Amino acid sequence: EIVLTQSPATLSLSPGERATLSCRASQNVNSYLAWYQQKPGQAPRLLIYDASNMATGIPARFSGSGSGTDFILTISSLEPEDFAVYYCQQRSTWPRITFGQGTRLEIK
Amino acid sequence: EVQLLESGGGLEQPGGSLRLSCAASGFTFSAYDMTWVRQAPGKGLEWVATVTGSGVTKYYADSVKGRFTISRDNSKNNLFLQMNSLRAEDTAVYYCAKRFCAGGVCHSFDYWGHGTLVTVSS
Repeated sequence: EIVLTQSPATLSLSPGERATLSCRASQNVNSYLAWYQQKPGQAPRLLIYDASNMATGIPARFSGSGSGTDFILTISSLEPEDFAVYYCQQRSTWPRITFGQGTRLEIK
Repeated sequence: EVQLLESGGGLEQPGGSLRLSCAASGFTFSAYDMTWVRQAPGKGLEWVATVTGSGVTKYYADSVKGRFTISRDNSKNNLFLQMNSLRAEDTAVYYCAKRFCAGGVCHSFDYWGHGTLVTVSS
């Protein structure tokens, strides 16, 4: 099983700041990595697929990069609605996908 | 508009059974693999099971293999998860999710249902 490790577990920032979230895979997943945002009581929302492709309707302040085992989700300038939990997910071993444990982005 | 609506969750005793349903609309249901993902209270996301568009091929996480059965009815656009021999550790919100495909390549999950809560407790 491919293990995804997200860091940091919690990130405390203020609106307007830049957020950088990391996801590291225990094996090469090529570019088959997605990022989701989840708010309390809601289902996850797809932000980025295949490492760097923005999903439909996602604001341009979200971007993804990386390949192989190291990936980054960047939020260029935080809006109040961006404070949530973020998960990475690999599909290299589809359908036996795995998720990271999540990074909680909280208001400082 | 794509919609996924889960139902069937509730409180069940250890060893009991539940059947979850996911009603799909707004897309050609039979053309897409469908997946169940669960989330224990306060925890992360865990893949449970996937069924191909035809319904012929099914895949399960080791944690549920032999206890859960995924199926679909393409004539009625419904996805199911039959959950037997339930354990306390099966307590979670269960989401159905649709895979996103473009240009002949399928990616990750672009649509999720709102989830249905399963609680296993005596």
